This record gives sequence, C-alpha cells and structure tokens, in this order.
Amino acid sequence: DAGVTQSPTHLIKTRGQQVTLRCSPKSGHDTVSWYQQALGQGPQFIFQYYEEEERQRGNFPDRFSGHQFPNYSSELNVNALLLGDSALYLCASSLVRENTDTQYFGPGTRLTVL
Amino acid sequence: GIQVEQSPPDLILQEGANSTLRCNFSDSVNNLQWFHQNPWGQLINLFYIPSGTKQNGRLSATTVATERYSLLYISSSQTTDSGVYFCAVLIKAAGNKLTFGGGTRVLVKP
Repeated sequence: DAGVTQSPTHLIKTRGQQVTLRCSPKSGHDTVSWYQQALGQGPQFIFQYYEEEERQRGNFPDRFSGHQFPNYSSELNVNALLLGDSALYLCASSLVRENTDTQYFGPGTRLTVL
Repeated sequence: GIQVEQSPPDLILQEGANSTLRCNFSDSVNNLQWFHQNPWGQLINLFYIPSGTKQNGRLSATTVATERYSLLYISSSQTTDSGVYFCAVLIKAAGNKLTFGGGTRVLVKP
C-alpha cells in the first residue's frame, strides 16, 4: 500500500523564480491538501483539491496556485518567490467518503529561497 | 478561527521516564489527530481521536471533547521518541483543513 509521495525532496531557488512541487496521494485517496511549515512552527494550510478543483484555500496570496490531475496527484506552484517562502511544504491525502477526514502526510519538500 | 495551544513547548526526558503532552482547542471539533514529526520532517500519524481514549503500544491518548482538550501520554520513553509532537484539529463546518498547534519538542536522553 503506497503512502503519500512528494518530489523533489529538496529544492534551492532564487528570489523571483517560480517553483513546482509534486504530490501523489496514498493509494485509494481522492483529496490532496497542501501545507507550509516554517522553521519552528506548526504547518499552515495552503489549499485543498478534490475532483480536480480547489475546494478550500487558506490565507495565502495568489502567487500560490495548484492543480489536481485525473489520477488524483497534485502540483503546488509558487510564482515570484520571496525569501519568506523558504519552508517545508507538506502534502496530505484523505478520502472524502471516509467520515473521519483522517489526513496522511508525505515526507515533504524542503524549499530554500536565496 | 479556531485556536490550538500545546503545552509544554519543550520537554527533556531521561530514557524510561513517562510524560504527558496537552492540547487545548477553542471550539468543538470533528477531528483531532496527533502526529510525531521526526528529524527529517516526516509527520507520522499517531492517533485519530476526536473523543475517548486510545492506546498504541507505549503511547496513549485521551480527548475530552466537552472540555476541549486532548492529552498524549508517552510511557517508558525511548530515544526514538524524540522529535516534535503536534496536535491538529478539523471543524467540518469551517472546511476540511487541519489547524495545528505549535507543537511540543521532546528530547529523550539516553
């Protein structure tokens, strides 16, 4: 039973560049959520995708966008990178039919913006 | 929005000791999860526990939903228990997002 996978593991970019992060959900799951975790803090919700549409969005600017594909995998795109975007980006998957809404997290992508 | 507070922020334990971590939340919730984040950043599910008590090996958790708090117990701690423990809550009426506390950083010394 494959868990949540993310790529790449690490990424270094410079200010102003654009980045794409990828996530494959746990087998059988249909919902993908993205979180940003700054150093020393708890994860913060960015947005959630279900049926290829953004279902909910947290308090993040439009520079953060996403996409979900028919196979339920997802991408997170960040444009015009700022130094403050340096963080661990976590993807979580869940199954909307499951009443518990239990979310399972991937290993994360550590983004450094120079 | 909902507020989630964890205490203590830091905990240093001698191997073999027991400890209790606390999570307070400001509103009724539909989902509460406890996670252990290892040094590499992976969030590992420990418990899904919106109410009641559960046990898994040396770990157990209790959520008293009516009083809006949850406790995570670590017994006979081991060095591999080191890391950051997060609780996270979800309110379906506010959408299917988890709101995390600030975490408790645990260091177990041999």
